[in-house]
Formats: sequence, structure tokens, C-alpha cells
Amino acid sequence: EPEVTQTPSHQVTQMGQEVILRCVPISNHLYFYWYRQILGQKVEFLVSFYNNEISEKSEIFDDQFSVERPDGSNFTLKIRSTKLEDSAMYFCASSADSYSNQPQHFGDGTRLSIL
Amino acid sequence: GDSVTQMEGPVTLSEEAFLTINCTYTATGYPSLFWYVQYPGEGLQLLLKATKADDKGSNKGFEATYRKETTSFHLEKGSVQVSDSAVYFCALSLSNGNNRLAFGKGNQVVVIP
Repeated sequence: EPEVTQTPSHQVTQMGQEVILRCVPISNHLYFYWYRQILGQKVEFLVSFYNNEISEKSEIFDDQFSVERPDGSNFTLKIRSTKLEDSAMYFCASSADSYSNQPQHFGDGTRLSIL
Repeated sequence: GDSVTQMEGPVTLSEEAFLTINCTYTATGYPSLFWYVQYPGEGLQLLLKATKADDKGSNKGFEATYRKETTSFHLEKGSVQVSDSAVYFCALSLSNGNNRLAFGKGNQVVVIP
């Protein structure tokens, strides 16, 4: 069964540095998402992406964050000038379309640790 | 705003016991409802879904019925196995074209042999 793959599985970065989290969505999917889960808290929506542009973003997704689909397969989340509170598990997801009854398929996540 | 509430705390039970995890939601529209499961060291996997009132989603012996009158989507399994030990997340998605998922906090389920 096709999978969403994320790299790296664990990223350790110094505070203030930039980090790029990478995702390869399922190949025939058109909608892409990033979520994060701070330890002990809910999984939170960050952003959705379609047709090379952001379709929706949450209040968490401020100017520190950006997303890009640099080629036909990768979908990246960039965090500029990381802060301690950015430490979390980041999940990428993809879906075939944007109808609410269509499930999103998730990757295994990247654990980001900011020191 | 749209939100999902799951019962507090981990759930520990013996093999072959009956499992129930409560989930209630608040939504302005007509959401689709999902249960996702996260096994240790893995990502979120869709367990089951229901897209309209009175629908029952089922998979791997798990069931959940979309109850509009009580705004609930409780997860049940009649006889759990050790391999069911995982974190279970209830989630909703609205039919607003963007498909943003709102998750509950998740429940750790530990099944003891």
C-alpha cells in the first residue's frame, strides 16, 4: 500500500537555526498537510497545500513557517529561527481530494528537538 | 470552534476485555468523523470513518457509530488483544473544502496479557 514518507525521523537543532522537514506524499494525491503534536498535547493542524499554494493555515502557522513543493514528489516544511517551543512531532499527510469524507494518510512523523 | 473531546487518561485492560473510548464533538457544520490509531514508533493510521449521521464505521473488530443527537462517535471493540495496545485519536473534518482535521487528545490503550 502506498505510504507517506518523512525524513528525518529525528532532527536536533540549536535554537535560532533554520530547519527543513521533508515529506514525500502518496504519488497520486493532490492535497498536502502539515500537523504538529507537542508532547502531551493534541495533534494540531498547521497548513494545507494544493496546486502549489497554501489553501488554509492555522494561527500557529506564522511568518516563521513556510511550505514548498520544490519538485513533483517532495513537500517541505521550513521553520526559520527555531524556538524552544517548536519542539514537537511534525506529521505530514496527503489526501486524494479535499472532500471531508476522504481520509488523510499520515507519515510516521519527524521528532524535532530544539536545544 | 470545531473541536473533539476524548475521555481523560490512559485505558488499561486485560486481553479479551471490552473496550470503549468516548469521543464527543462540537462542529458548526456536518462533519465527517474518524478514528486514527498510532502504534508505538509509527505514524497515524486511519482505523475507521463515518461520514453522516447513523453511519457505522468498522475495521479490525473496532466499531463506532456517528450519533448526531448526542454528538458522539465512541469507539468500541468486543475483545481486545495485546496487539491493540496503541494511542487512539478521534478526529473530525468539515465539508468546507479544506479538509482540516481537528483531533482529540488521544487515549493510550494498554492491553495486558
